[in-house]
Amino acid sequence: EDQVTQSPEALRLQEGESSSLNCSYTVSGLRGLFWYRQDPGKGPEFLFTLYSAGEEKEKERLKATLTKKESFLHITAPKPEDSATYLCAVQAPGYGGSQGNLIFGKGTKLSVKP
Amino acid sequence: DAMVIQNPRYQVTQFGKPVTLSCSQTLNHNVMYWYQQKSSQAPKLLFHYYDKDFNNEADTPDNFQSRRPNTSFCFLDIRSPGLGDAAMYLCATSRDAGDTQYFGPGTRLTVL
Repeated sequence: EDQVTQSPEALRLQEGESSSLNCSYTVSGLRGLFWYRQDPGKGPEFLFTLYSAGEEKEKERLKATLTKKESFLHITAPKPEDSATYLCAVQAPGYGGSQGNLIFGKGTKLSVKP
Repeated sequence: DAMVIQNPRYQVTQFGKPVTLSCSQTLNHNVMYWYQQKSSQAPKLLFHYYDKDFNNEADTPDNFQSRRPNTSFCFLDIRSPGLGDAAMYLCATSRDAGDTQYFGPGTRLTVL
């Protein structure tokens, strides 16, 4: 069964304290891995898509990497405004009407204290 | 700006009273999705439309229905809401199947 597990469930950092969030997955034939940011009471905001092992993408203080079994979201020198829940989702090949469907993890809730 | 809009942002209904949630998009995307997200849980796909073709997830309760009258609009109907249906309902769109999904702000449903 396709599955996505994110760790840790919650992470508290001091401003400037770099760290990484983990997304491990089991899926037959990964089509893509997506990272989203979700603020409380709002919809997920797209951050990155990764398609193949070894791929990396960066945006401001965030860097996403992908291996054959997991993805990391590295946060460098975080600021309080980076506080949010970070969701990982994988896209399996699917078939017919299920092509493109995403399987989400439960997310990592990040808190950055000044 | 092109976007995904959901109305209302907050909806309160009574146990068993039908409710409809609305989603519209200005992205002209072919695919529209409805997700249910409960507190501290992963978004769960309920169904999606590829153009006019409706695709229901196997474990979506019959209590949930959807309509897509045109490219821009999609509705989620909950025929007889139960207390367990209280959640955030998220609408998303993608240009095509397999493309990046863009989410609306969500509708928070409370069932009294």
